[in-house]
Order: sequence, then structure tokens, then C-alpha cells
Amino acid sequence: QSVLTQPPSVSGAPGQRLTISCTGSSSNIGAHYDVHWYQQFPGTAPKLLIYGNNNRPSGVPGRFSGSKSDTSASLAITGLQAEDEAIYYCQSYDNSLSGYVFGTGTKVTVL
Amino acid sequence: EVQLVESGGVLMHPGGSLRLSCVASGFTFSGKTLNWVRQAPGKGLEWVSSISGSSTTIYIADSVRGRFTVSRDNGKNSLYLQMNSLRVEDSAVYYCARGDYGMDVWGQGTTVTVS
Repeated sequence: QSVLTQPPSVSGAPGQRLTISCTGSSSNIGAHYDVHWYQQFPGTAPKLLIYGNNNRPSGVPGRFSGSKSDTSASLAITGLQAEDEAIYYCQSYDNSLSGYVFGTGTKVTVL
Repeated sequence: EVQLVESGGVLMHPGGSLRLSCVASGFTFSGKTLNWVRQAPGKGLEWVSSISGSSTTIYIADSVRGRFTVSRDNGKNSLYLQMNSLRVEDSAVYYCARGDYGMDVWGQGTTVTVS
């Protein structure tokens, strides 16, 4: 049972802006631990999309951005494209569990 | 090329033991924290364990503590997950992943089925 909660699904038309929330608590995001985001296509390994709340690894398009505030974080996709249809996970550290935690995952559908 | 390759996944009966391996290439293995992350069929990602480059810091998830053990051999660029007392709910694709500030390199995964 994940301690980071995400909406099960979000959808949008090509070109639109989407945001995915990741809600934690005082033992993870609220304890100032950074949030990372991953993108996963069916049958493949996850790919790091955002690290340290709002940093993009080399090769990740600029339409992906992240933010963090209090006990939650968000991933934004600006200018949604068909190829962005995937499942997205947030991840942080939890000091009450003494380990890393992943979010519940959000399926993005491009209409 | 930076790469992680897992192996060892098989079909097991409940109560059995299994060791997964992950071989790394293309980077300084001993300098990096490595993780095991699993994904049950149709489910989300679940962090299992982490081990620092020198093996001095090890974290393990409550769901597997006492049954799973993580280790590494820096001389062989290899990461291991010893899995004992396997349960049906341990069935998953097991990934090894590099990093402790965002997991930036992932293997292709190895499938463990407990039935």
C-alpha cells in the first residue's frame, strides 16, 4: 500500500496541459525529501523523467516539468502529445518507513 | 553504454528460495547506490531494497524484511537479491535500478512467479 497518492487516470487532447498530483505526508514529501517522477510504457522498464522535484535528465523534452509544495508534488505536461500516453509514478523517501516510496501511478490518456 | 541486466527469475513454489542477480556495465559500479524495485502483474511499482556503493547502508522494505537480503560484489559489478520463504504475493517483475537521487538507469527486469 503506497503512501504517495496519485489520481488513477487523467486525460487530455493533444496540445493541452495536464497535471498529475502526488500527495504525501509529513514523513515524506512534507519532511522536505525531494520527489522524482518516472514514465513507464506497457511491458517496459520505468524511465526517470524528473529528479529533484523539477530537474530534467538529458534527453527529456522540455514539456515535462515538476513542482513541489508542502506535502505534495505535481508533474505537468505542457503541449500534450500522443507519445506521452503512459503511466507516471512519483517517488520520494519516507523517514517513518526508512525507505523509498512510489506513488500509486497515474495513467495518462491522450484523447 | 550504461547498462543493468537482471537474471534469475523463475517459477517457484511457495516457501522456496531464489537469488536474483543484476550485472552492471558502463559506469563505476562501486560508486553508486543500487536498488531493487518490483512490479506485480498489472500493479504499480514497489521499492524493495537499496544498498550503497560500499554496502555500508542497506534499506529494505517492511514487506520483505526478514525474508529478502540484498548484497553486492563490486569486484564483479554485480548486485544480488536473496529471496527466502517466497510467497505468492512476491510474484512480480524485479528490476534493478541505479541511484539514490532519482533512479536514472533501469534494467529490463526479471520475472519471478510464485505459485
